[in-house]
Amino acid sequence: DTAVSQTPKYLVTQMGNDKSIKCEQNLGHDTMYWYKQDSKKFLKIMFSYNNKELIINETVPNRFSPKSPDKAHLNLHINSLELGDSAVYFCASSQITDEQYFGPGTRLTVT
Amino acid sequence: QQQVKQSPQSLIVQKGGISIINCAYENTAFDYFPWYQQFPGKGPALLIAIRPDVSEKKEGRFTISFNKSAKQFSLHIMDSQPGDSATYFCAAGKAAGNKLTFGGGTRVLVKP
Repeated sequence: DTAVSQTPKYLVTQMGNDKSIKCEQNLGHDTMYWYKQDSKKFLKIMFSYNNKELIINETVPNRFSPKSPDKAHLNLHINSLELGDSAVYFCASSQITDEQYFGPGTRLTVT
Repeated sequence: QQQVKQSPQSLIVQKGGISIINCAYENTAFDYFPWYQQFPGKGPALLIAIRPDVSEKKEGRFTISFNKSAKQFSLHIMDSQPGDSATYFCAAGKAAGNKLTFGGGTRVLVKP
């Protein structure tokens, strides 16, 4: 069983488009995250939700909007995509402890 | 501002050798230090973690050494195997905060 799943795995789109990435976890965790991994492999947190409530919002452009319909799902919507948004986006989840479990990633390519 | 600095960026080791990766942090409020392993095309996977109340933690061939006064911690991979070839990330966080700050990663290649 997949613990943290993301769709799609690959996303190729043009500048200016709007796209969404979906994440689901079946671990029963209360907290979910979005991370961005750039071309140099650097991992940086973007957002964190706890029980559908936003608790971490790093300095991310407001073109990025997370949405958590329930505590098992955290989606990421990106408006007006730019070339610099090209990266791999990882969803993760954790319970009250700090062990974060990552999904397989979504590779976004903006052309 | 990079709060967790990781070195080296890459490492080549012979099969059976020891891989050593070092990390240094700045924020003294950090009290949780995990290491993640990432294979190409996959998400990072938690390998081993330590809290500052102990100076060393060992799980199989993987050992974390922690030096609180120096604000440094390291990962040792003993008897390195070709299957250990991956990118390793250290991270640091606060126990109650859920936010992890990652180091820049170390690409390890184990030669047969």
